[in-house]
Order: sequence, then structure tokens, then C-alpha cells
Amino acid sequence: GQNIDQPTEMTATEGAIVQINCTYQTSGFNGLFWYQQHAGEAPTFLSYNVLDGLEEKGRFSSFLSRSKGYSYLLLKELQMKDSASYLCAVQDSNYQLIWGAGTKLIIKP
Amino acid sequence: EPEVTQTPSHQVTQMGQEVILRCVPISNHLYFYWYRQILGQKVEFLVSFYNNEISEKSEIFDDQFSVERPDGSNFTLKIRSTKLEDSAMYFCASSLDRRSREQYFGPGTRLTVT
Repeated sequence: GQNIDQPTEMTATEGAIVQINCTYQTSGFNGLFWYQQHAGEAPTFLSYNVLDGLEEKGRFSSFLSRSKGYSYLLLKELQMKDSASYLCAVQDSNYQLIWGAGTKLIIKP
Repeated sequence: EPEVTQTPSHQVTQMGQEVILRCVPISNHLYFYWYRQILGQKVEFLVSFYNNEISEKSEIFDDQFSVERPDGSNFTLKIRSTKLEDSAMYFCASSLDRRSREQYFGPGTRLTVT
């Protein structure tokens, strides 16, 4: 079966750094995505990895290891507006997005 | 910046009724998708659509559901004989092609079945 695991909830402090992990087992792999979703809103695209390594985009970075079926999203200089759910999704061999349940990130002042 | 739009933002319907959810994808995009997210649960793929036909569909997308592109801009999801468990947010998305790095999501339609 297809499975994507990520922690249910994490808490971090404003200004700090947080790493959200994602492990996956899917039928085929055509890329891994991270999306941000605020409550009651649509997911918005953050990052895409298809090759091993780190992709950096401003305060956000995403890492992929295909051999380990593992990715993480790194958020630096946390701001209160970063409080949201972070969704890991994998594009399988049919280019369908398979979604994790999301990690709710709570930022405290 | 072009965006995906969806109407209505909220639809309330009685069990057993039919609903049509509407989406206008980004104009030069070729692939269209419907996703569902039950409150507090993960996003679930329903169907992808290309060249006026279904490209892929999930197990959730049974005979109760259908999609259509009735004209050059709209993309609709029809749910026949709605059930209580159909209550969810329904998101439409579009992408340039199936290998596109990014799918652009609409704001969603919240469907409440009573």
C-alpha cells in the first residue's frame, strides 16, 4: 500500500528553527511536495524535490533522500504567520499526489 | 496573477440531493483535478482530467461522482444522491501538464450534507 507519515503536531518558538519530517512508501516516485495549509484554506505550494539533496527557498528548505524514503521541511526564523499545517505529498508513478495527514505547527511567542 | 476559482464557496444540501461544484482552472492549463478533504483529515485525490476525459481516478470516485468540462472554461464535479459522509471541502486544482511541478489549488467549496 501507499503510506506517508509525518508527525501530527509540533510546537516551536517565534524566531527559532523547526524541522518537519516525512517518510513515504509509494508505488513509484515522481517527486515530493510540501504544501502549507492554513485552517479552512486551500493548500499552497512550498517546495518540490525530485533529486536527492537540499532545495533552499528563502526561510524554507526541503531535503530529500530517495533511498531512505525520507524528506524534511526546514523552517527558519519562525514567524507567527507560519502557524499552519504542513502537508507532505508524493507524486506516484501515475503522477497522482498521495498526501500525508499533515503536521500542525504551533508557533509560540 | 492567474488563479483557480471555485463556486460556490459553501453549499448546503439535503441527503439524497444532487450537487454540482464548479471550477474555473487557469486558462492555459491542461490538467485538472478534484480533491476532497474531510474536516480534520488528509487531502484525498478524487480524479484527474485531460483532453476532455478522465485521466486517473481513485477508489473514492465511484458512480456517484462525475466530472465534465461543459465549455472552454468551466470544470465541474457532480455528486449524485449525496450522503452525510460527502460533507467535506472540495478543492479543484490545475496544472500545465501532468508532470508539472506545481498544481494550483482553488479556494475550495465547503459541502455540507444534512
